[in-house]
Amino acid sequence: SAVISQKPSRDICQRGTSLTIQCQVDSQVTMMFWYRQQPGQSLTLIATANQGSEATYESGFVIDKFPISRPNLTFSTLTVSNMSPEDSSIYLCSVEDPGVPGELFFGEGSRLTVL
Amino acid sequence: QKEVEQNSGPLSVPEGAIASLNCTYSDRGSQSFFWYRQYSGKSPELIMFIYSNGDKEDGRFTAQLNKASQYVSLLIRDSQPSDSATYLCAVPCRGDKIIFGKGTRLHILP
Repeated sequence: SAVISQKPSRDICQRGTSLTIQCQVDSQVTMMFWYRQQPGQSLTLIATANQGSEATYESGFVIDKFPISRPNLTFSTLTVSNMSPEDSSIYLCSVEDPGVPGELFFGEGSRLTVL
Repeated sequence: QKEVEQNSGPLSVPEGAIASLNCTYSDRGSQSFFWYRQYSGKSPELIMFIYSNGDKEDGRFTAQLNKASQYVSLLIRDSQPSDSATYLCAVPCRGDKIIFGKGTRLHILP
């Protein structure tokens, strides 16, 4: 298993500002995944963060809005830029179990409220 | 057609009964299937995965897979109030991307 720490756990932000979410894993992993979970909804994959290369974004998500860094094999950040109330959501960092492809471990999530 | 579909519920089941949760998927190439449980305010956690057609049992949980029908289900026997949660079906699609269904809210009635 993997232990994933995310911070901040929650924040309230003003429209137009940006927030960076940090994700720290207790072991080296190849890929890290960023998901969004809007209120009452399921998880939507934002992007896959690979160390040493640019992140791969899913349809509907762009780098200018959600820039991602992956400086090493245990750490990643997701920035939510120029926020609007529609960005209010829980953002989850996750990694895959190398022994069970498809099994994901999740951080505690970062609950973001944009006013 | 959505890649992974679930009935959102809520599904109400009396305590001690069997809860049946269903999921369909669109990618015929998918080889593995996962069920996650998410309590309110918490992150999802894996409870079962299945690769082969048929049934896989783990305690009170049974996963059932029918690849021909592109259908996977989760049965919870002897349902307990602590089973009340949202259950998410997840399928790796298009390579290594893991796609989640909308989830089914399960409510066990004491």
